[in-house]
Amino acid sequence: AQKVTQAQTEISVVEKEDVTLDCVYETRDTTYYLFWYKQPPSGELVFLIRRNSFDEQNEISGRYSWNFQKSTSSFNFTITASQVVDSAVYFCALSEGDSSNTGKLIFGQGTTLQVKP
Amino acid sequence: EPEVTQTPSHQVTQMGQEVILRCVPISNHLYFYWYRQILGQKVEFLVSFYNNEISEKSEIFDDQFSVERPDGSNFTLKIRSTKLEDSAMYFCASSEDRGPYEQYFGPGTRLTVT
Repeated sequence: AQKVTQAQTEISVVEKEDVTLDCVYETRDTTYYLFWYKQPPSGELVFLIRRNSFDEQNEISGRYSWNFQKSTSSFNFTITASQVVDSAVYFCALSEGDSSNTGKLIFGQGTTLQVKP
Repeated sequence: EPEVTQTPSHQVTQMGQEVILRCVPISNHLYFYWYRQILGQKVEFLVSFYNNEISEKSEIFDDQFSVERPDGSNFTLKIRSTKLEDSAMYFCASSEDRGPYEQYFGPGTRLTVT
C-alpha cells in the first residue's frame, strides 16, 4: 500500500532555531519519487524538492536540507536558522513507478510549522 | 515567471447544482491534474489528464466529476450535482512532462456547497 505519514501535526519554534520535519513513506515499488511542498498562509502549494529512490544523497539548498534514508523509509526536511517567513504547512508526497507513472502525488497529512519572532 | 491560474477563487453553490472550476495551466505544459483539500486535511489526488484523456483517476473521482480541455489553454473540472462533502479547496496543477516531475500548482478555488 502507498502511504505517506507525517506524524508531527504542529511544530512551534522560536526564530533562529533549527527544526526537522519528519516524513515516513510506504511503497511496494522499487522506483519512486519523494517531494516536499510548502503551503504558506496564502494557500498555494510551492514545490521545494524532488528526490528519486535511487539517489540517497542528502541535499542542501540554502537553509534547507533533506535527509533521505531508504533503510528507514524516511525523507526528513530540516530548516536551519528558521525565520518567521518559514511559517507554513509543509507536505511530503510520494509518486510511484517509472514508465507507468502518471504523475499522481500521494500527500501526507502535512506539518504546520509556526516560527515565532 | 509563468504560473497556473484558477478561477474563480471562491465559489458558493447550493447542493445539487453543477459547478465548473477553471484552470489555465502553464502554456508549454502538457500534463494536467486536479487535487482537492478538505479544510485542515491533506491534499488528495483526483485526476491526471494528458492528450485529451484521463491518465489516472482516484476513487473520489466518480461519475459526478468530469474534466475537459475545451480549448488550447483552459482545463476544467465539472461537478454535476454538488454535495455538501464536495466543499473543499480544489487545486489545478500542470507539468511539462509525464510522470514524477515537478508539478506547478495554481492558487486554488475554494468551493463551498450549502
